[in-house]
Amino acid sequence: TQLLEQSPQFLSIQEGENLTVYCNSSSVFSSLQWYRQEPGEGPVLLVTVVTGGEVKKLKRLTFQFGDARKDSSLHITAAQPGDTGLYLCAGAEGSQGNLIFGKGTKLSVKP
Amino acid sequence: NAGVTQTPKFQVLKTGQSMTLQCAQDMNHEYMSWYRQDPGMGLRLIHYSVGAGITDQGEVPNGYNVSRSTTEDFPLRLLSAAPSQTSVYFCASSRFWGGYSNQPQHFGDGTRLSIL
Repeated sequence: TQLLEQSPQFLSIQEGENLTVYCNSSSVFSSLQWYRQEPGEGPVLLVTVVTGGEVKKLKRLTFQFGDARKDSSLHITAAQPGDTGLYLCAGAEGSQGNLIFGKGTKLSVKP
Repeated sequence: NAGVTQTPKFQVLKTGQSMTLQCAQDMNHEYMSWYRQDPGMGLRLIHYSVGAGITDQGEVPNGYNVSRSTTEDFPLRLLSAAPSQTSVYFCASSRFWGGYSNQPQHFGDGTRLSIL
């Protein structure tokens, strides 16, 4: 069974700070997705990374896929209270369509 | 365009009762799936369907049943509810199935289920 390990599990920071969330596995993934989930709602896709070494930016969020396609990171610059939520990474392996989800990183940004 | 709609939003059951969680999507997506989300466990796949008439088991299928008679609907049935099935259940859909398709999953807002 493939596993995606996310760290840290919890993160509480002040507005304006930078942070990085990690998503690691021993398996190779054909693609990796990052979702954000707010209380009482379902996860919403932020980005999909496909190519090893790929970097994608979404405003203050920077996503990177590892060269070997086994890991990924999410970096937030100058975090804002609106960034508060649960961040989930999810990987798809080869021809298997089902996503494997990490357990998530719960981020709290205080004003 | 409603996306993925789940009903009910909340439900309390007694041990041994059965019920059906409803899921409908209006995006003509081929792939639909059910997950459960528990504290510290992330999202775990229960059952999935790659098209009408085709279903398969995910990681945690025991105690659940599904069917897919139409493209739009994918109900999840609890056959005999147990306290271990207390969880938040999410239905999701995507345009295609397949790891290389890189299709985003569109999630509903969940059903919060408590089994007493």
